[in-house]
Amino acid sequence: EDKVVQSPLSLVVHEGDTVTLNCSYEVTNFRSLLWYKQEKKAPTFLFMLTSSGIEKKSGRLSSILDKKELFSILNITATQTGDSAVYLCAVALGGGAQKLVFGQGTRLTINP
Amino acid sequence: NAGVMQNPRHLVRRRGQEARLRCSPMKGHSHVYWYRQLPEEGLKFMVYLQKENIIDESGMPKERFSAEFPKEGPSILRIQQVVRGDSAAYFCASSPRTWLDTEAFFGQGTRLTVV
Repeated sequence: EDKVVQSPLSLVVHEGDTVTLNCSYEVTNFRSLLWYKQEKKAPTFLFMLTSSGIEKKSGRLSSILDKKELFSILNITATQTGDSAVYLCAVALGGGAQKLVFGQGTRLTINP
Repeated sequence: NAGVMQNPRHLVRRRGQEARLRCSPMKGHSHVYWYRQLPEEGLKFMVYLQKENIIDESGMPKERFSAEFPKEGPSILRIQQVVRGDSAAYFCASSPRTWLDTEAFFGQGTRLTVV
């Protein structure tokens, strides 16, 4: 069964801290890995990763994929209260299975 | 993404009633996906449709649930004879092509509460 596991499930830090969110996967036909941010509404797209070892960066957020060890990390530096959200990791399956398999999410809380 | 429109945003149904959830994809998108999110859980794939065709319904319960994406109009997820366990947020996503080439955009979701 295709599986995506995120850790930690919940994380509370102070504003200004740096956080690392983890995502490991075990799927039959990997195509790409995506990160989403969800704040009580629609998941909003952050990154799509297809190649190992190439860091994607957007402001204070960055992410990298390791296809050999089957995991990805999402880093957020200098966290702000507006970063508080659930961060979802999903793997897009290739071949005939056109769907995303999501992890359970990491709930990140940034305290002022 | 505001481009994918779902309605209603909130829906309350009594046990045994029918629930109809609508999803209008972004303009130019012909691929629609439905996901369900139970409280404190990730999104679970339900069904993938293209115009007038169900491509993959492997995540949808065999009974009481159905989905369609007609040539004209929104995609509809229909749940008959709802039970308490159907209470969840239902998200629709659309894309112009398959997942292989592009990320999909999610709607705001419909929160279904069965009382």
